[in-house]
Amino acid sequence: DAGVTQSPTHLIKTRGQQVTLRCSPKSGHDTVSWYQQALGQGPQFIFQYYEEEERQRGNFPDRFSGHQFPNYSSELNVNALLLGDSALYLCASSFYLVRDTQYFGPGTRLTVL
Amino acid sequence: KQEVTQIPAALSVPEGENLVLNCSFTDSAIYNLQWFRQDPGKGLTSLLLIQSSQREQTSGRLNASLDKSSGRSTLYIAASQPGDSATYLCAVSPFRTPLVFGKGTRLSVIA
Repeated sequence: DAGVTQSPTHLIKTRGQQVTLRCSPKSGHDTVSWYQQALGQGPQFIFQYYEEEERQRGNFPDRFSGHQFPNYSSELNVNALLLGDSALYLCASSFYLVRDTQYFGPGTRLTVL
Repeated sequence: KQEVTQIPAALSVPEGENLVLNCSFTDSAIYNLQWFRQDPGKGLTSLLLIQSSQREQTSGRLNASLDKSSGRSTLYIAASQPGDSATYLCAVSPFRTPLVFGKGTRLSVIA
């Protein structure tokens, strides 16, 4: 049973560019949440997708957008990259209707130069 | 606004010691609390999940307790090993809303 997978593993971009990160949830899960983790900090919630709709959003600017596909996989897009966007981006999957643990992927390390 | 605090921020212990990591949260209206382990530059591994109706959970050498009324949780690690060295994160969750994390405790177990 495959767990949560994310791609790419590492990414280097320059300021002003755009980036797309991808996540495939654990088999059977229908909800994907994205978190940003800056160095030395706990993860911060970006947004959550269920039934291909953004259900909740954290305190992140509109430069951060996402999408969920019919197979429950998800993308995180960041436009007009800033140096401060450098972080580990984590994807978590879960069942929307069940109070259960969220399963996290290995993350994508984004470096903005 | 829910806030999660973890104390201490860093801890170094000799191998074999028992240790306790602390987590406190400001809003007791939670559905569950999770403890995660994170190795440097890696993703999160769930260690223990405690539902709001539970007082504790155990897995091997790990034991987590929850006192919802006082907004506190502890993670007890017995007979620590060098392989336990990692950052331990505490997170609380109201139902269907995102996890709120603490900043973590960085643990070093010295052989």
